Amino acid sequence: ETGVTQTPRHLVMGMTNKKSLKCEQHLGHNAMYWYKQSAKKPLELMFVYSLEERVENNSVPSRFSPECPNSSHLFLHLHTLQPEDSALYLCASSQDVAGRGYEQYFGPGTRLTVT
Amino acid sequence: GIQVEQSPPDLILQEGANSTLRCNCSDSVNNLQWFHQNPWGQLINLFYIPSGTKQNGRLSATTVATERYSLLYISSSQTTDSGVYFCAVIPNSGYALNFGKGTSLLVTP
Repeated sequence: ETGVTQTPRHLVMGMTNKKSLKCEQHLGHNAMYWYKQSAKKPLELMFVYSLEERVENNSVPSRFSPECPNSSHLFLHLHTLQPEDSALYLCASSQDVAGRGYEQYFGPGTRLTVT
Repeated sequence: GIQVEQSPPDLILQEGANSTLRCNCSDSVNNLQWFHQNPWGQLINLFYIPSGTKQNGRLSATTVATERYSLLYISSSQTTDSGVYFCAVIPNSGYALNFGKGTSLLVTP
């Protein structure tokens, strides 16, 4: 595997389910990100991790819970979601936190539908 | 936060035509990136171009940092160029790429 991978690619879940999205980067990067892309809205940052420490949390509801066990893996745990949370969830990585001049690379995304 | 405006919002080209996409930023264009989002949602890196000019095959980009804008040139367009092109920048304080609304490109045979 190369680059940034995400699983699953598609997910349909009910409002009472608990599920997790997984992201893995094979680039030797230190920073990882979760972004959300909703229909008709620009991509927006959810979480940033640098060396497994969360450095930014963009006022995301607590029903989204990130986890970064090491610099190669990032999870997004989902529980009691709402239909408006249906979106494309994109993971990205960069050599370091991008504010210091590093290019971000994106995974293929998980398309989530909440029913 | 930083505002990223892209134009045009929509573009239809015949195969073989050339086009120019523009990205205007309300603040510094540090860390400016251009992406192509394919129909499956994948964001493909085109250029990391905080300043200057770069070329990659039929694509090239120029960023004029002093005037806070960037241009993406597509020459001899092909149907596989269809999709949405995004410009994104990171403000001086912060970690997030701030994306524009994109230019939706359709190249017809």
